[in-house]
Order: sequence, then structure tokens, then C-alpha cells
Amino acid sequence: GESVGLHLPTLSVQEGDNSIINCAYSNSASDYFIWYKQESGKGPQFIIDIRSNMDKRQGQRVTVLLNKTVKHLSLQIAATQPGDSAVYFCAENPSYGSARQLTFGSGTQLTVLP
Amino acid sequence: ETGVTQTPRHLVMGMTNKKSLKCEQHLGHNAMYWYKQSAKKPLELMFVYSLEERVENNSVPSRFSPECPNSSHLFLHLHTLQPEDSALYLCASSQDLAGGKNIQYFGAGTRLSVL
Repeated sequence: GESVGLHLPTLSVQEGDNSIINCAYSNSASDYFIWYKQESGKGPQFIIDIRSNMDKRQGQRVTVLLNKTVKHLSLQIAATQPGDSAVYFCAENPSYGSARQLTFGSGTQLTVLP
Repeated sequence: ETGVTQTPRHLVMGMTNKKSLKCEQHLGHNAMYWYKQSAKKPLELMFVYSLEERVENNSVPSRFSPECPNSSHLFLHLHTLQPEDSALYLCASSQDLAGGKNIQYFGAGTRLSVL
């Protein structure tokens, strides 16, 4: 079956450094990808998304890169702050227009060290 | 505040109890979802509603019964649950099911413990 997975379950970075969280996907037909952040005691929160016709998208302190050749996407967080500590999920959608087919990865725990 | 409110935040119930989880969205969305989140596992989609009609039921045991009385409210009725049903139950909503980004916005979840 199709799956979305993350290379590392945990990631620790020093405050102020940049963070890179990786995600591999297996469905080459996936058309749309979303990154979510889940803080302790909260539900997942939308961070940034990217369609398959793009290879890079930037937001506020975050950048998502998509490499369709190797079916890999990454989330880069610039100048990581303590408030960035959370679990980060990537989610893939085979069809841009269809929300119900969203498939989530298991998440990476990001810990920001003082 | 995401605009999606879930109650209760925590629930402890015995296997013979009947309880309900409630979700309310204030975003004017047409689609609502129930997910189960267990430790170290991906989010599992349970049910999807669009304009109060159920459009997806991912082989969820009948001890979970959803109800969507209107596009702003979603319930998950629980009865005769098993200990393995202990998890965080998340509700989400999106503008629609199709025709655009349809980003899902999540509530904070109900932490359920079945004894």
C-alpha cells in the first residue's frame, strides 16, 4: 500500500540553528503535500503546503522543498526557536482537489535545545 | 484557537459505558472528519462528512458511531469500547472535500482512556 514516512523519529537542534525535517512518500501520483505541527496537548496545526508542480515554497521562517524524482520532501525551519519544539507531520494527497484522501506520516519530534 | 472546538478534552470510561465526543467548527466549513491518533502511529482517518452526509467510513468498528446533525457539529458516540481504543480522537474540518486546497483544520482532541 501507499505510505508516507519520516527518516528520523526525533531531531534535536540548538536554538538559533536551522532545522531540516525530512519526509519520504511512496505514491508517485501524489499531487499535494502539507506539513503540520503538533504541540503537546494540541491538535495538528497547518504550517505550509506545496503542490507537485512546484519544487520549493517559502513561508515565514519555513521552507518546503519537494523532490519528485526521489519522492522526498523536507521542511526547513530557519533560526529555530523554543516554540518550534513539537511533532511535525507531513501529509500527502493523491489529488489536489480531494481532501479526504490525505495520508499522514508518523511524525518527527523536534526538540530545541537552549 | 483553530476554530475547531472539541469536548471533553479528557474522558475516562469503562468498557460498558456509553459516552459521546463533540466537535464544533466556527469556520463555515462544509466537511468534517474524525481521526484516531495512537502513540507513534500515523493519524488514522475514521469518518468523513460533507454537508452532513457521511462519505467515508474506513472500516471502523460499529462501537464507534458518528453523527453530523449540521455542518457545524460532529459527534462520535462510543459504546462497549475496548482498552485498545484508548487514544487521542481528533476532529478536523475543511472548506469542502473537493475543488481547492481543502486544508484540514484540527481541534485539540479528546484524550480517551478506556479501563
